[in-house]
Amino acid sequence: KNEVEQSPQNLTAQEGEFITINCSYSVGISALHWLQQHPGGGIVSLFMLSSGKKKHGRLIATINIQEKHSSLHITASHPRDSAVYICAVMGDGGAQKLVFGQGTRLTINP
Amino acid sequence: ETGVTQTPRHLVMGMTNKKSLKCEQHLGHNAMYWYKQSAKKPLELMFVYSLEERVENNSVPSRFSPECPNSSHLFLHLHTLQPEDSALYLCASSQGVAYSPLHFGNGTRLTVT
Repeated sequence: KNEVEQSPQNLTAQEGEFITINCSYSVGISALHWLQQHPGGGIVSLFMLSSGKKKHGRLIATINIQEKHSSLHITASHPRDSAVYICAVMGDGGAQKLVFGQGTRLTINP
Repeated sequence: ETGVTQTPRHLVMGMTNKKSLKCEQHLGHNAMYWYKQSAKKPLELMFVYSLEERVENNSVPSRFSPECPNSSHLFLHLHTLQPEDSALYLCASSQGVAYSPLHFGNGTRLTVT
């Protein structure tokens, strides 16, 4: 069992729907990352958080340290949001100790 | 422009070839990383360089040889690879290695025939 589990693995929705992607982890962490990977392969860092909630545009990330769980929400989803979303947790060793989930493939249909 | 540039974008090589992947960052960061992404597997850390010194070698086979000549450039030298080494190789950089966001390049898609 991976130390970082994401659900669902695949998600297809219609444009405009509210999207939630979940991440559960089993180790102690200092921070959690949400990353976005487009079909070309490049990865963009969306959020890095260690408590509470962060918002950027239509994206919201929350984390519950006690429950070892984080969620990424997308409001008013759009086809350009189609990508793989990856959760990664940072242990005490910093960025060199990032452990990655397998990713959630999101497809938004027009 | 991501700030982290990788070349080439695609590479096909035979098992007896020697090739190199290049990564360049224009962000003034002092840490650089190589990651491997195989099909249907999570990203795996390969190497970490901090202040041009290798600080992490994640049990990577010796057929992969990293080089960091300065804080802006990182290379991954490849020789006598196996077909199972076919993957997307991603470079990243950060300012320090503790509690800092990573900036990734677009990756090199490597196919070993």
